[in-house]
Amino acid sequence: KNEVEQSPQNLTAQEGEFITINCSYSVGISALHWLQQHPGGGIVSLFMLSSGKKKHGRLIATINIQEKHSSLHITASHPRDSAVYICAVRWSSARQLTFGSGTQLTVLP
Amino acid sequence: KAGVTQTPRYLIKTRGQQVTLSCSPISGHRSVSWYQQTPGQGLQFLFEYFSETQRNKGNFPGRFSGRQFSNSRSEMNVSTLELGDSALYLCASSLFRTGNTEAFFGQGTRLTVV
Repeated sequence: KNEVEQSPQNLTAQEGEFITINCSYSVGISALHWLQQHPGGGIVSLFMLSSGKKKHGRLIATINIQEKHSSLHITASHPRDSAVYICAVRWSSARQLTFGSGTQLTVLP
Repeated sequence: KAGVTQTPRYLIKTRGQQVTLSCSPISGHRSVSWYQQTPGQGLQFLFEYFSETQRNKGNFPGRFSGRQFSNSRSEMNVSTLELGDSALYLCASSLFRTGNTEAFFGQGTRLTVV
């Protein structure tokens, strides 16, 4: 079965801390997405990766295709980063996205 | 450039009724996918439309259906609503159908079935 595993499920950090969220998947993919969901529901696409590393502001996403693993890093975390972060993959053999269970991040001031 | 627009944002329906949700993709995007999000099951794929044709369907009963119009706007319909259909329904639009195309999500429609 094609699976996407995210860890941790919940993460509480102090403002300014460096944060890492991990995502592992089971078989080959054509792309991996990192998404952010705030209370209220709307989802924002943060990154789409098929190899290497991408950076946007304080956010960095990396992917290791051989190890089938991706990480999302947040540097100098801020309370406004509090949200659910979701990893989603598009398998090589399918068109639709398959989602991880999400990581609830809370950054305390 | 306007983002993905979903209407309505909130809906309350009674068991047995039917409901229609709407999704207007980003201008120029021809692929629209629908997802259901529940606390128990997380985000699950419902179906994908491209050029007015359903291209892919998730593991949901036939009560869930959809369509896409020539302007790429999409609707999904759920008939004979059940309490378990209460969820956040999200749509996402993409420019192409290729695997490494970015998906842009709407704000979702929160459906409550009572």
